[in-house]
Amino acid sequence: DAMVIQNPRYQVTQFGKPVTLSCSQTLNHNVMYWYQQKSSQAPKLLFHYYDKDFNNEADTPDNFQSRRPNTSFCFLDIRSPGLGDTAMYLCATSRRGGEETQYFGPGTRLLVL
Amino acid sequence: GNSVTQMEGPVTLSEEAFLTINCTYTATGYPSLFWYVQYPGEGLQLLLKATKADDKGSNKGFEATYRKETTSFHLEKGSVQVSDSAVYFCALDTGRRALTFGSGTRLQVQP
Repeated sequence: DAMVIQNPRYQVTQFGKPVTLSCSQTLNHNVMYWYQQKSSQAPKLLFHYYDKDFNNEADTPDNFQSRRPNTSFCFLDIRSPGLGDTAMYLCATSRRGGEETQYFGPGTRLLVL
Repeated sequence: GNSVTQMEGPVTLSEEAFLTINCTYTATGYPSLFWYVQYPGEGLQLLLKATKADDKGSNKGFEATYRKETTSFHLEKGSVQVSDSAVYFCALDTGRRALTFGSGTRLQVQP
């Protein structure tokens, strides 16, 4: 089935140790998104790619970076994780963005110790 | 700016009870409105959507009507099941490719 896949599902890292989260999609969608969802809160958009065009949200910390080497893959890099970065990270895709449906992966639960 | 306000949970109902989860929004322009559902341990799934005023979205027995005059998009279901237990998120999109979510409402349905 076409889907959005995230790896790993669970990640534990130490304070300050860089971590990379992975997202892949078989939907051939143009737009890929990264959201951060802290416990009992709404998902918050960090950034998105429209094809290779990167769009950062104004309040996304510099500590968070992203790469999209091709249509199928998108990575979230956290350069120096802090305790406050413990959260669920959700990847989503949509065909063209705008008001189209976003399809979410299962998420990666990150714990920073 | 854009914002979405949902009723706080958890909402606890008995099986076959009527469900309403309130959602109101503030937005510039004419947003599309969505309800997403998140089952335990899973990502978000689109439940239903409406793209213009007076549209009604429906899926799996859930319904929501886009009310521009009251800036609302309340979620309803006539008879809930235990399997409907999840967190429900109301969201809007004004066309800039970014969803603005409400804080979510946890629904617990007891047998």
